[in-house]
Amino acid sequence: DTGVSQNPRHKITKRGQNVTFRCDPISEHNRLYWYRQTLGQGPEFLTYFQNEAQLEKSRLLSDRFSAERPKGSFSTLEIQRTEQGDSAMYLCASSLARPPTDTQYFGPGTRLTVL
Amino acid sequence: RKEVEQDPGPFNVPEGATVAFNCTYSNSASQSFFWYRQDCRKEPKLLMSVYSSGNEDGRFTAQLNRASQYISLLIRDSKLSDSATYLCVVNVPSSKRFGAGTRLTVKP
Repeated sequence: DTGVSQNPRHKITKRGQNVTFRCDPISEHNRLYWYRQTLGQGPEFLTYFQNEAQLEKSRLLSDRFSAERPKGSFSTLEIQRTEQGDSAMYLCASSLARPPTDTQYFGPGTRLTVL
Repeated sequence: RKEVEQDPGPFNVPEGATVAFNCTYSNSASQSFFWYRQDCRKEPKLLMSVYSSGNEDGRFTAQLNRASQYISLLIRDSKLSDSATYLCVVNVPSSKRFGAGTRLTVKP
């Protein structure tokens, strides 16, 4: 399977714990995006990378959230001191940026439940 | 005002019906536009890009009106398998904005 993969698929944690998610994009894609989606809403943009550079971060991304893409391939999203409001589906997408379009392909997501 | 707004739905239609969804966006610098489909508890999947001249892909037709800042999706001859949530996506410089989605249920 050469699509976007995400691990783990599900994570249950207790409030206050740290969690880390991983995304492996489609191999030749240079852009990688993170989104958060809650029930009944569309995906909300969190941050994106072009190669290893983090080019934009949403105001939604509090100081407890950090993302990295150290070698321009896979990425990790870490949430520190999780809160119940962090419970959501975390989606990763990748694209091969070709202006003016930038078609993104999504991974299956990591569903986080904070107890 | 949200950056991307969609018809609230849900739309419940019989098989064979024609259904249309609209989406408005607020950022005039938006560069490109897409419709994605999302099935329950699955990831969004690209349905089609939306071009200025309008484009068609089988039973699906997408149109863009830059002056009025809206895009539309028309589904003809609805199938049961079209039941899903349809997400409008707008590219703004360096980012993407999704609408909340419109839920479609096609019934026998």
